[in-house]
Amino acid sequence: NAGVTQTPKFRVLKTGQSMTLLCAQDMNHEYMYWYRQDPGMGLRLIHYSVGEGTTAKGEVPDGYNVSRLKKQNFLLGLESAAPSQTSVYFCASSSGTGASPLHFGNGTRLTVT
Amino acid sequence: LAKTTQPISMDSYEGQEVNITCSHNNIATNDYITWYQQFPSQGPRFIIQGYKTKVTNEVASLFIPADRKSSTLSLPRVSLSDTAVYYCLVGFNTNAGKSTFGDGTTLTVKP
Repeated sequence: NAGVTQTPKFRVLKTGQSMTLLCAQDMNHEYMYWYRQDPGMGLRLIHYSVGEGTTAKGEVPDGYNVSRLKKQNFLLGLESAAPSQTSVYFCASSSGTGASPLHFGNGTRLTVT
Repeated sequence: LAKTTQPISMDSYEGQEVNITCSHNNIATNDYITWYQQFPSQGPRFIIQGYKTKVTNEVASLFIPADRKSSTLSLPRVSLSDTAVYYCLVGFNTNAGKSTFGDGTTLTVKP
């Protein structure tokens, strides 16, 4: 039972390059989330999805796009990376029913030079 | 959004009980309160969740007063492995867009 799996674990980009982060969950969860965490700070919500084919903006969506074509996958895209996007990115999922907790992956460390 | 406020850091010694309080003055009627633990280089991990009064599980207790404007996470007899950042999250059950964490409390347990 893998839970929430994020790929890649590490990535270095140059300013202006693009990339996609993949999040996969095997718990049949409806809700999925992307967060970023900067050093010494809490997690800020970038985008989230309440079901296959749906996405919504979180607290800090600018510079990112997402897609949820399959229920088990949630992709986070950076079209033109900037140094300000250097961060650790976490994906999470939840069943979305009642007060079900969030289940997190182990993160992707992204450096933009 | 139900903004949360926690102490930035706390120190304790092995074997002591630790209480971490979170203020959430704008909590809505249907909001649950959830606490997470995060170790370096890992994603947060669920600890405990509650709506009112007291909740206890095998690792912690959660105390919520009647007005629900604050909550206290209680860790009994901490060990060095409890050194981590602790976050309280309010209201994500009613609105997934509320799923933003505060800056958390860094707990350091000393021998």
